Amino acid sequence: EVQLVESGGGLVQPGGSLRLSCTASGFTFSTYWMSWVRQAPGKGLEWVANINENESEKYYVDSVKGRFTISRDNGKNALYLQMNSLRAGDTAVYYCATNVNTPRGRGRGGAVAFDMWGQGTMVTVSS
Amino acid sequence: AIRITQSPSSVSASTGDRVTITCRASEGINSYLSWYQQKPGKAPQLLIYGTFSLQSGVPSRFSASGSGTDFTLTISRLQSEDFATYFCQQYYAYPLTFGGGTKVQIK
Repeated sequence: EVQLVESGGGLVQPGGSLRLSCTASGFTFSTYWMSWVRQAPGKGLEWVANINENESEKYYVDSVKGRFTISRDNGKNALYLQMNSLRAGDTAVYYCATNVNTPRGRGRGGAVAFDMWGQGTMVTVSS
Repeated sequence: AIRITQSPSSVSASTGDRVTITCRASEGINSYLSWYQQKPGKAPQLLIYGTFSLQSGVPSRFSASGSGTDFTLTISRLQSEDFATYFCQQYYAYPLTFGGGTKVQIK
């Protein structure tokens, strides 16, 4: 069964740091682009970052550039999001997501329709 | 960034009704438009990709169309399990962007 499981969320003070993890199973993790998408409480979805198979390409939404870093460990089937200088506006459920089974839902350069999502991990930035 | 304007933000409907949701992109996105359904406390689920292609397992009462900048999702005969929030997403260019969502509520 294809599965993504996030962990690492929690309560952190403004200016603090947190590292999220996403563990993948049921597919060949090392051959897929991976993404983080977040959703503030009661709000819509916001794409955060993408990473390609060998970490040579990374993309970020402007609001997190210079503060967040996406990375992966293909040997551990793991995706990470290092979040520094956290702000109240970063409070959200963070999902890892990818496109595993829908090749015709893939655009250029890792831009995809997401056919696989984790259950999400909640990050709360508050003093 | 490509802005996606989704409307309406909410709609009240009854079981059996036809519901149409629209998304307008601020520039052309070819056919790189997807639709998701999200229920409270759950991750989104892919319904439609490539503007009109139905994801495996999605009921045929869901359909979608569009091109360029204007796109629609239609639920032909609303069922109880369809009451949820729906989002569109463009994957034509970075940053990937989503519409603001449409909550389909019971009338």
